[in-house]
Amino acid sequence: KAGVTQTPRYLIKTRGQQVTLSCSPISGHRSVSWYQQTPGQGLQFLFEYFSETQRNKGNFPGRFSGRQFSNSRSEMNVSTLELGDSALYLCASSLPAGLYGYTFGSGTRLTVV
Amino acid sequence: DQQVKQNSPSLSVQEGRISILNCDYTNSMFDYFLWYKKYPAEGPTFLISISSIKDKNEDGRFTVFLNKSAKHLSLHIVPSQPGDSAVYFCAASGGNNNDMRFGAGTRLTVKP
Repeated sequence: KAGVTQTPRYLIKTRGQQVTLSCSPISGHRSVSWYQQTPGQGLQFLFEYFSETQRNKGNFPGRFSGRQFSNSRSEMNVSTLELGDSALYLCASSLPAGLYGYTFGSGTRLTVV
Repeated sequence: DQQVKQNSPSLSVQEGRISILNCDYTNSMFDYFLWYKKYPAEGPTFLISISSIKDKNEDGRFTVFLNKSAKHLSLHIVPSQPGDSAVYFCAASGGNNNDMRFGAGTRLTVKP
């Protein structure tokens, strides 16, 4: 079965712009989570969606938002980009979290200049 | 809030020897613990997990140990192989949240 698909793979944006990243989960997975990975900080939890509802949110400013569609596909949006937003953004889909873990996409590498 | 901590950013071992990666957590409500492995330019891949009702889980060369009283878990890789060189993330979930929290990662280098 197809894995988790994230688009685009790479993105370069200018400070102040906004960006939308897309994630298509594994078929049948209804939970989608987003993480930001930066050197030395590991994977920082952004938010988790289940059945089009945001269930959990990490400690990120309101510039970071997301949504999930009825087909479980998810998007995250970052407005008013800052240089510090440069990171690898990872999407993961799962059955309920637990021993099954998450399946991650390859990520979107965002560079803000 | 760093609920999951990996205090060693890097580890280097010789091929054939044991690799021990450590992880500490602060939230006593966590009841599932997982290890992920990540290669450059790829997303993390699930490696092994353990439920809080167990203290050990083994899968081939990989064994995870859980010490609940110390809020500590470790991943043992025996014998280590050069292909094991990657960044390893510890993760935990459970309690009131359905999300999963990750540590900062440990970069393992296995030298031939």
